[in-house]
Amino acid sequence: EPEVTQTPSHQVTQMGQEVILRCVPISNHLYFYWYRQILGQKVEFLVSFYNNEISEKSEIFDDQFSVERPDGSNFTLKIRSTKLEDSAMYFCASGDAAELFFGEGSRLTVL
Amino acid sequence: DAKTTQPNSMESNEEEPVHLPCNHSTISGTDYIHWYRQLPSQGPEYVIHGLTSNVNNRMASLAIAEDRKSSTLILHRATLRDAAVYYCILLHMYSGGGADGLTFGKGTHLIIQP
Repeated sequence: EPEVTQTPSHQVTQMGQEVILRCVPISNHLYFYWYRQILGQKVEFLVSFYNNEISEKSEIFDDQFSVERPDGSNFTLKIRSTKLEDSAMYFCASGDAAELFFGEGSRLTVL
Repeated sequence: DAKTTQPNSMESNEEEPVHLPCNHSTISGTDYIHWYRQLPSQGPEYVIHGLTSNVNNRMASLAIAEDRKSSTLILHRATLRDAAVYYCILLHMYSGGGADGLTFGKGTHLIIQP
């Protein structure tokens, strides 16, 4: 069964460093998303991406965040200068509006 | 965003049916009712969705009240693998495709006893 894959599974970084989280969505999907979940808290929507541009973003998705689909298969989330509060599990998802398929997540730890 | 209300937790026995309620009294006519679940240490997983009519799929059934102000996710025969947090989410879907981002609440923590 096709699945969304994310790398790395866990990344530890120092505050202020740039981080790129990578996702390979399911190949025929057109809509791509990033969500995050701080430990013990709710899953939060960050951004949706369609037709090579951002279609919606939340208040969390500020200028420190960016997304890109550089080569037609990967979908990346970049955090320009990480803060302690960026420590979370980041989930990539792809699908259509009705059904999203989520990856297993990338755990980001900012020290 | 229209809000949903779910019990914090529910407990059921293995191989018995489970009915997970969700109240959404402020639902608008264009909101679809979606259910996702999150197993421990995993990403959310789509379960089912509907608009007005009851829906069935291989995972579950969704019963929607006639006034659409509440719905119930039905797991017909719970297994230990169904232990998860279940989220009821209202989603505005655009006629041309696409939808708003999902707004997850706290969900219902379903505990399955062997």
